[in-house]
Amino acid sequence: NAGVTQTPKFRVLKTGQSMTLLCAQDMNHEYMYWYRQDPGMGLRLIHYSVGEGTTAKGEVPDGYNVSRLKKQNFLLGLESAAPSQTSVYFCASSYGLRDGYTFGSGTRLTVV
Amino acid sequence: QKEVEQDPGPLSVPEGAIVSLNCTYSNSAFQYFMWYRQYSRKGPELLMYTYSSGNKEDGRFTAQVDKSSKYISLFIRDSQPSDSATYLCAHGGSTLGRLYFGRGTQLTVWP
Repeated sequence: NAGVTQTPKFRVLKTGQSMTLLCAQDMNHEYMYWYRQDPGMGLRLIHYSVGEGTTAKGEVPDGYNVSRLKKQNFLLGLESAAPSQTSVYFCASSYGLRDGYTFGSGTRLTVV
Repeated sequence: QKEVEQDPGPLSVPEGAIVSLNCTYSNSAFQYFMWYRQYSRKGPELLMYTYSSGNKEDGRFTAQVDKSSKYISLFIRDSQPSDSATYLCAHGGSTLGRLYFGRGTQLTVWP
């Protein structure tokens, strides 16, 4: 049972480049979330999904897009990376709020 | 006002000390309260979970919720160097299953 798997683990992008972060879970969870974590800022919700084919904006959605075509996968896209998007990105999933979240190990992204 | 406020610390204590970590929250309608532990360069992991008010104990850890003062606490007894991590409080209760996190308190337990 792998839980929540994030790929890649590290990435360096140049300003203006695009990339997609992949989150995969094998727990049949309905809910999936993308967070970014910055020093002193805590976890900030970017986008989330309450089921296959659904997405919604969180606190800091600008500059990001998401898709959930399959229940087990939640993709986070950066269309034109900016240095302000340098961060650690965490994906999480849950069956329902009573079970809490299971987090992935994170993706460290640096935009230069 | 943020949903959850948490003092970021850092907090440094000697091995064996009792540690108290605290948060305040604003939405009294939320029923679920959680504590996550995050080791350096790792993802957060669920440590404690409580529903409604009262205490919940698990080994050396006790989670406490005081709804009258909107206070969430985590107590660690006989703290160990392996407890050194960042602790995040969280609460939620909407049908969308979303949790609101505090900023995290960085704890160091020195031998």
